[in-house]
Amino acid sequence: EAGVAQSPRYKIIEKRQSVAFWCNPISGHATLYWYQQILGQGPKLLIQFQNNGVVDDSQLPKDRFSAERLKGVDSTLKIQPAKLEDSAVYLCASRTGGGSYGYTFGSGTRLTVV
Amino acid sequence: GESVGLHLPTLSVQEGDNSIINCAYSNSASDYFIWYKQESGKGPQFIIDIRSNMDKRQGQRVTVLLNKTVKHLSLQIAATQPGDSAVYFCAENMGGGSYIPTFGRGTSLIVHP
Repeated sequence: EAGVAQSPRYKIIEKRQSVAFWCNPISGHATLYWYQQILGQGPKLLIQFQNNGVVDDSQLPKDRFSAERLKGVDSTLKIQPAKLEDSAVYLCASRTGGGSYGYTFGSGTRLTVV
Repeated sequence: GESVGLHLPTLSVQEGDNSIINCAYSNSASDYFIWYKQESGKGPQFIIDIRSNMDKRQGQRVTVLLNKTVKHLSLQIAATQPGDSAVYFCAENMGGGSYIPTFGRGTSLIVHP
């Protein structure tokens, strides 16, 4: 089974620029998550999708972050404009759905804002 | 030894020793717990899980212990190997139909050959 695919692997941008990350979950996984992991900390949830609907985006800084999963498969996370404190690894994870707890994480996109 | 503060807590062990990594979780309503291993440049990788109706679960070279009274989890790794060097996170999943793993701070395990 292919894993969760993320791209790009690395991105360096200047503050106030915009950036987008892409995630392709495991085939058939209904639930998709975006996490932010700042260096030295555990991942923190940004947003959870169930198919193409948002389940929880309470911790997403909506003034600058947006995410979509239009067809219920791939997802993109966008930051506009970026701040220095957005430097982090952005992880995507997916889950089959139903009563399963099987979460699978991608390798993440490392963002550096300079 | 261990160091805390801005840096991750660190556990240094010799190859072949047993390792014990501890985690305090926050929500007494959490009903499912997962230990993840994260190597540099990779996402968290599932190691072992345990449901709240259990107090111990064993896998291959790993054991998870759950103490709900004090909201404490531990991960025991037997015969630690250099390949076990990584950051280890516990994650809790609140019950009631919520499927959102909430991560703890993490512990860096360093295994010396």
